[in-house]
Amino acid sequence: NAGVTQTPKFQVLKTGQSMTLQCAQDMNHEYMSWYRQDPGMGLRLIHYSVGAGITDQGEVPNGYNVSRSTTEDFPLRLLSAAPSQTSVYFCASRAGTGIANEKLFFGSGTQLSVL
Amino acid sequence: GDSVTQMEGPVTLSEEAFLTINCTYTATGYPSLFWYVQYPGEGLQLLLKATKADDKGSNKGFEATYRKETTSFHLEKGSVQVSDSAVYFCALSDDYKLSFGAGTTVTVRA
Repeated sequence: NAGVTQTPKFQVLKTGQSMTLQCAQDMNHEYMSWYRQDPGMGLRLIHYSVGAGITDQGEVPNGYNVSRSTTEDFPLRLLSAAPSQTSVYFCASRAGTGIANEKLFFGSGTQLSVL
Repeated sequence: GDSVTQMEGPVTLSEEAFLTINCTYTATGYPSLFWYVQYPGEGLQLLLKATKADDKGSNKGFEATYRKETTSFHLEKGSVQVSDSAVYFCALSDDYKLSFGAGTTVTVRA
């Protein structure tokens, strides 16, 4: 099983450029999420989705958009990149709700630099 | 809101030493608690979890006990190996949202 696949692994953008980080999972998970990881701050939730067609904001949603048209895919869009968005981004999924489904499966991350 | 505080690193140990990483939490309800581990260049993976007070999670020689009275979930391992070098994150689950601590970098030297 591929699990959670993120592309690209590395990306450099100029301020004001837009781009989409891709995330796909092949485990038929209902729940998908995006986190950013910054030194000394741990992981912070950007957006999440509890199923196709349903998305919601996390802790740090400003500057990012998401959509969930299929169960498998959950892309993260940066509309106008800013240096403050330089970070490592992780996509994560889990089977659903409830204690039995709390385990998150993470992708390998995308390292983004905004100049 | 719910939050997690874990001890700051970095922590450097010799092989076979005892490891403790402190984690305390603030929550209005009764969240599940987790330790995730991130090896160099990889995403996070679940190390262990506990879902209610006095539960002990264990995996790969690591242990942590859910202490409601002290709101803590400290991670321990009796004898670390070089392969345990990683970043360790304490986390709690509040319905759909997982809140992470800042992470503790552990380096084990041979």
